[in-house]
Amino acid sequence: KQEVTQIPAALSVPEGENLVLNCSFTDSAIYNLQWFRQDPGKGLTSLLLIQSSQREQTSGRLNASLDKSSGRSTLYIAASQPGDSATYLCAVSSGTYKYIFGTGTRLKVLA
Amino acid sequence: GAVVSQHPSWVICKSGTSVKIECRSLDFQATTMFWYRQFPKQSLMLMATSNEGSKATYEQGVEKDKFLINHASLTLSTLTVTSAHPEDSSFYICSAKSSGLAGDSYEQYFGPGTRLTVT
Repeated sequence: KQEVTQIPAALSVPEGENLVLNCSFTDSAIYNLQWFRQDPGKGLTSLLLIQSSQREQTSGRLNASLDKSSGRSTLYIAASQPGDSATYLCAVSSGTYKYIFGTGTRLKVLA
Repeated sequence: GAVVSQHPSWVICKSGTSVKIECRSLDFQATTMFWYRQFPKQSLMLMATSNEGSKATYEQGVEKDKFLINHASLTLSTLTVTSAHPEDSSFYICSAKSSGLAGDSYEQYFGPGTRLTVT
């Protein structure tokens, strides 16, 4: 059974810092991995989607990497801003297309 | 990009009543949709897989008679919470998997969620 864990559970950093969020999964047989952002009381915003054949994806200040063999993904946020404050979720999809979500990292960027 | 909508976005109902939540794919067809629930400060948990024209597949521990799912068309799935109780209060999010689009990459598109409060 696939399990997805995110570390740290919460993170507070000063504005401008570069930071890394971690996601690990127990079953490496995945089709893709997706990183989402969720603001309090809101739905999900897709940030980056990495196919199983890819190693990384980049969008603006965000870079996500995937190491399928070790069951890990990282989300790198460069030059963090207060507007980046949110909960970040990673989710993995297997052959049935179902997404298994991680436990989330609550990020707070201090001005 | 592909858009998924949910209606209503927020609903309050009395204990014992039933509530229907709609999930629509606005600009693509979705043979498969998924329903998730999220309790406060927790992650999303998959409830069921909704397949157009067939019965939904429920995850272990989810009561299929309580959470009725109907996927009657390629763009609409509904989740009905029957005889709702306060413990059913949660954030319900649907997602839709595109079918037949060029370059299908198994990506799913998520709706904005529906917040259900049962009093």
